[in-house]
Amino acid sequence: DQQVKQNSPSLSVQEGRISILNCDYTNSMFDYFLWYKKYPAEGPTFLISISSIKDKNEDGRFTVFLNKSAKHLSLHIVPSQPGDSAVYFCAASGGEYGNKLVFGAGTILRVKS
Amino acid sequence: GAVVSQHPSRVICKSGTSVKIECRSLDFQATTMFWYRQFPKQSLMLMATSNEGSKATYEQGVEKDKFLINHASLTLSTLTVTSAHPEDSSFYICSARWGGSPLHFGNGTRLTVT
Repeated sequence: DQQVKQNSPSLSVQEGRISILNCDYTNSMFDYFLWYKKYPAEGPTFLISISSIKDKNEDGRFTVFLNKSAKHLSLHIVPSQPGDSAVYFCAASGGEYGNKLVFGAGTILRVKS
Repeated sequence: GAVVSQHPSRVICKSGTSVKIECRSLDFQATTMFWYRQFPKQSLMLMATSNEGSKATYEQGVEKDKFLINHASLTLSTLTVTSAHPEDSSFYICSARWGGSPLHFGNGTRLTVT
């Protein structure tokens, strides 16, 4: 049973436009959410996080939105750059998982120049 | 720069042999490290939590006798895949955190068992 779902396996965006990556979760006890970026043959790199007490967190071109009632979060990248092309993983922790991270399956983002 | 170092990055071994993967925390002490496995086009799955000075905690469905974890010091955890089989071929990644930081991952090890 996947508790963190990224329903879009891939996304293609034009350089300069906005990239929106979505993530849904089923466990209402999750209270901390993270986005990681992964390049081929490398480990995931932390990008941005959000606590359940917030509904938005912004860091430069990256903004994460959290909708607790819908159990949905999204990552916005504006403006998108070719170097943003990677696999993006959504992850959650909390509840019975404590500090352990539960990952989604990832979304491949391709930014076209 | 990298804060978690993993070695080797890639290994090919024959079926029935054992393979050791090292994970080191750089410039910080990690009492806890985490080992993940990723199959193609799937999410990262937590295998076990490595605890310095004590036994590792394995997730449900992970064979502790097959995936031996040793956390001998505050900066080193090792994962040994014993009697490897082709179905063990996967991408293994370790991670660690210090203080309240998010998890930081190593670059992973691509294991291919022939």
